[in-house]
Amino acid sequence: EVQLVESGGGLVQPGGSLRLSCAASGFTFSTYWMSWVRQAPGKGLEWVANIKQDGSVRHYVDSVKGRFTISRDNAKNSLYLQMNSLRAEDTAVYYCARVNPSYYDSSSGYYIDSFDYWGQGTLVAVSS
Amino acid sequence: DIQMTQSPSSLSASVGDRVTITCRASQGISNYLAWFQQKPGKAPKSLIYGASVLQRGVPSKFSGSGSGTDFTLTISSLQPEDFATYYCQQYKSFPPTFGQGTKVDI
Repeated sequence: EVQLVESGGGLVQPGGSLRLSCAASGFTFSTYWMSWVRQAPGKGLEWVANIKQDGSVRHYVDSVKGRFTISRDNAKNSLYLQMNSLRAEDTAVYYCARVNPSYYDSSSGYYIDSFDYWGQGTLVAVSS
Repeated sequence: DIQMTQSPSSLSASVGDRVTITCRASQGISNYLAWFQQKPGKAPKSLIYGASVLQRGVPSKFSGSGSGTDFTLTISSLQPEDFATYYCQQYKSFPPTFGQGTKVDI
C-alpha cells in the first residue's frame, strides 16, 4: 500500500524557515518524480515544486522560487521541502504527492505533473 | 498560466441524483486533465486522469469526458460518501494548475 506521511509543519514567524519531510513507503520511491502541493485555509490547491527521480531536475512555482528548495534522499525514501523567508501567504497545508502521470512539454523543457497518491498533509502557519 | 474554471462552484443534490461538473481551460490542453475528490480535513484523492481514465479502485459511477478546453465529471448515482469538493487539474502546460473546486452537498 502506497503511503506518504508528511511532518515538520508548525507555527513560524514571517522571515523564518521550516523544513518539511515526507516519508514514502509501499512503492519504489526512486522511480517516481515527486511533488509538493499546498492548500491555503479554505482555498484551492496550488502546485509548489517537483523533483526528478535522481534529484537532477527541479521545478518551482514562481511565488516560491529562490525561497523554497525541494530535495530527496532515495536511500531514506524521503522527500523534503526547505522553506526560507516565509511569508504570511505561505500559510497552508502542504501535501506530498507522487507524480503519475506527467507530460513532458518539449517546447518548454518542463515536466508537468498530475498526482495519483497524496499524503495527509502538514500545516504551516506563518504569523507573528 | 492556464486558468481552470469549474462550474458550478457549489451544488446541492440528493442521494441517487446524477451530477455533472464542468471544467473549462483557458487554452487547449488536449486530454491532459485530472479530477480529484477532497473531503473536509482530508487529502485529495485522485479519481480520473487523461480526462477519462479511472484511477485503479475508483468506482465506475465516476466518469470523465472532454478534450481541448471543455471537460465534465459525472457521478451517475450520488451516494452519501460522494459529498465532497471536486477539483480539476491540467497537466499540459507549466505550471500545473487546478480549478477552484466544486462543492457537492446535500
